[in-house]
Amino acid sequence: AQSVTQLDSHVSVSEGTPVLLRCNYSSSYSPSLFWYVQHPNKGLQLLLKYTSAATLVKGINGFEAEFKKSETSFHLTKPSAHMSDAAEYFCVVIPTSGGSYIPTFGRGTSLIVHP
Amino acid sequence: GAVVSQHPSRVICKSGTSVKIECRSLDFQATTMFWYRQFPKQSLMLMATSNEGSKATYEQGVEKDKFLINHASLTLSTLTVTSAHPEDSSFYICSARHEARFYNEQFFGPGTRLTVL
Repeated sequence: AQSVTQLDSHVSVSEGTPVLLRCNYSSSYSPSLFWYVQHPNKGLQLLLKYTSAATLVKGINGFEAEFKKSETSFHLTKPSAHMSDAAEYFCVVIPTSGGSYIPTFGRGTSLIVHP
Repeated sequence: GAVVSQHPSRVICKSGTSVKIECRSLDFQATTMFWYRQFPKQSLMLMATSNEGSKATYEQGVEKDKFLINHASLTLSTLTVTSAHPEDSSFYICSARHEARFYNEQFFGPGTRLTVL
């Protein structure tokens, strides 16, 4: 069994300040972890993914995330928020074994960026 | 990269009619496709998993006779909402994967906004 907890339903930051979106997971198998961004009425765009290589993963648009097995976390960060970062962000866990590759989605975190 | 398209991007229909949504993997063959439903301000809810040439596996609570899924080829899956009602209005998203090529990563379509009047 697996689960994903996105601890914040909304995160509000000012433009130019750091962004932290939190994600904790549980999985019976070693997981692959993903962060996706969704703009209104759009599909999901992959920001970055962890697949058992380097624990610090760099993605697009200046985002990065660190896989911490001891804390079962995969928090998403960005040093400086832009207005265009305002969107919904989803943390996703997919098992790497066990026969099922069904993804589990977090509930999403809405990032609000103030000018 | 791996691109997935959906058609139509939005559709409005009358209650009682059926609507078909197509999901295509454009530059790879998808061994598995997934269909999701998303309500406003909520996360994606997996409806069903389909493998090419076999029957779809529906999640608990999803009516298979209501949401017909056909995965006729390695690049095309269709979702037909039969006898649509206003409560079926939602954002439907598909995703596709090819295990050998991309392991467990999925690639998402842009979504289809269904409005039933």
